[in-house]
Amino acid sequence: KNEVEQSPQNLTAQEGEFITINCSYSVGISALHWLQQHPGGGIVSLFMLSSGKKKHGRLIATINIQEKHSSLHITASHPRDSAVYICAVRASTGNQFYFGTGTSLTVIP
Amino acid sequence: DTGVSQNPRHKITKRGQNVTFRCDPISEHNRLYWYRQTLGQGPEFLTYFQNEAQLEKSRLLSDRFSAERPKGSFSTLEIQRTEQGDSAMYLCASSLPGGSRGYTFGSGTRLTVV
Repeated sequence: KNEVEQSPQNLTAQEGEFITINCSYSVGISALHWLQQHPGGGIVSLFMLSSGKKKHGRLIATINIQEKHSSLHITASHPRDSAVYICAVRASTGNQFYFGTGTSLTVIP
Repeated sequence: DTGVSQNPRHKITKRGQNVTFRCDPISEHNRLYWYRQTLGQGPEFLTYFQNEAQLEKSRLLSDRFSAERPKGSFSTLEIQRTEQGDSAMYLCASSLPGGSRGYTFGSGTRLTVV
């Protein structure tokens, strides 16, 4: 069983739709990251969360520590949002990251 | 400083050959991480350095893999006697201690073993 589970694995949306990607984890964490990976492989860090909610432009990330769950929301989705979104957690013991397998998002014009 | 730089971007090698990748982290970041990502999977942790000290190694890092960070700045990841299963994207990331300001990833080195 993976320490980090993401859903859905694949997501296709029409431009303008509200999108939610979910992440559940099973280990104690010191922080959770949402990452965006484009087809070329480069990874951009979107958010680092340890509690509550963060917002950056059209992106919103929330975390519920008690439920060990996080969500990434994209409002008014756009084709340029098409990418793989990866949830990663930093374990509270040691410095290892555990990664989800990613959610592949395609936004159709 | 333009971020984490990895070289080469792509490497194709014959099975059995040795390859070496380089990662140049953000200059003030003293932590450096190596990850491997195979197709359709999330990145897997390989190893990490704090300054020049290699503090943790994954069991994924077999004897054929070695990583160094001799002066606490750039790091190299060497794979000896490559196998087809080594084909993957090798990602490097760097951070300040504790990752309080987040992690910065490089663009990765894509290795294809033929």
